[in-house]
Amino acid sequence: AQKITQTQPGMFVQEKEAVTLDCTYDTSDQSYGLFWYKQPSSGEMIFLIYQGSYDEQNATEGRYSLNFQKARKSANLVISASQLGDSAMYFCAMREGPNGGFKTIFGAGTRLFVKA
Amino acid sequence: DGGITQSPKYLFRKEGQNVTLSCEQNLNHDAMYWYRQDPGQGLRLIYYSQIVNDFQKGDIAEGYSVSREKKESFPLTVTSAQKNPTAFYLCASRPLMGQGRVGYTFGSGTRLTVV
Repeated sequence: AQKITQTQPGMFVQEKEAVTLDCTYDTSDQSYGLFWYKQPSSGEMIFLIYQGSYDEQNATEGRYSLNFQKARKSANLVISASQLGDSAMYFCAMREGPNGGFKTIFGAGTRLFVKA
Repeated sequence: DGGITQSPKYLFRKEGQNVTLSCEQNLNHDAMYWYRQDPGQGLRLIYYSQIVNDFQKGDIAEGYSVSREKKESFPLTVTSAQKNPTAFYLCASRPLMGQGRVGYTFGSGTRLTVV
């Protein structure tokens, strides 16, 4: 069965430093997509970045990058130059292809605290 | 601006009562989803729909029902059969054709409390 694991319940980072949020996944499908979402205290989920299973390059979106290691089934999110506004919950998610019904499952999340 | 509107923001339910959560989108997205979030946990899929008049059960569909009579609307009813409905409910949508790299667009959520 597909599964997403985020082992860090909480993380602290100093403002302007980089931080890595861990995510491992388990799937038997060859075609899948990996996503990261941010959930501020307001509750609304915000899509940050996507990595396809066949992508050869690691995804980047502004200060967000994804360290994708397919053989290890890991998709860690790297946030560079942390800002106070980055304090939020971060969720890793996976969408499988046709065999998984195109459903998306989410990890339990990591709460990030950015210190001034 | 396009987006997803969920209402109400807060909802209180008495024991044995059915309540309906509204979700409306003006993004012309094909697929719509309902997720439940409990404190300190990730999101769990309740129901989803990829086309009008069709929907599928997610992982925790028991005690919930949905309809998809219009592309823009995907209301969720929490029935009295749902024994522990207190949670934060999120509605999401996404296009289907040629948009596999696009994440969900989420609404701002409804917080349901049993009183």
